[in-house]
Amino acid sequence: GQNIDQPTEMTATEGAIVQINCTYQTSGFNGLFWYQQHAGEAPTFLSYNVLDGLEEKGRFSSFLSRSKGYSYLLLKELQMKDSASYLCAVRDSNYQLIWGAGTKLIIKP
Amino acid sequence: DVKVTQSSRYLVKRTGEKVFLECVQDMDHENMFWYRQDPGLGLRLIYFSYDVKMKEKGDIPEGYSVSREKKERFSLILESASTNQTSMYLCASSTGNSGANVLTFGAGSRLTVL
Repeated sequence: GQNIDQPTEMTATEGAIVQINCTYQTSGFNGLFWYQQHAGEAPTFLSYNVLDGLEEKGRFSSFLSRSKGYSYLLLKELQMKDSASYLCAVRDSNYQLIWGAGTKLIIKP
Repeated sequence: DVKVTQSSRYLVKRTGEKVFLECVQDMDHENMFWYRQDPGLGLRLIYFSYDVKMKEKGDIPEGYSVSREKKERFSLILESASTNQTSMYLCASSTGNSGANVLTFGAGSRLTVL
């Protein structure tokens, strides 16, 4: 079966750095997505990786290793507004998205 | 500001009632999707559509149907609501079927079935 694993919850301190991991086992691979979802709101797109390596976008970076079935989202200079759930999703060989259950990130002052 | 608008944020219905969830997007996107989101689970695809009057079953279509009469509107229908359909329903849209094909989501409709 297809599976996306990510930690259920993480806690970090304002100003620090946090890494949220995502491992996947899917039927084929056509890209990996990270979305951010604040409580009670719509998920919003953060990043897309289809090739191995690091994609940097401001305070957020996303890394992909296709051979290891592994990605991480790196958040730097954490702000209170970064408290949210972070959803990892992989697009399989049928171009369907398989979603992880999300990681709830709690930022403490 | 581009938008996906879901008509109802919160609904409370009784078992056996027919429920309509409406979704409208203003981005001229070809693709539209209905997901449900439950605690501890990833988003699960109910139905999707790549064109007007076209629909495809997702992973959990049982108990649901959809309608896409116009490009901008995608409706989810629960013919006879049951308590196990209590959930958050998310509508999304995207353009094309190549490249990143990023989803734009609506704010969600939280349905409670009593």
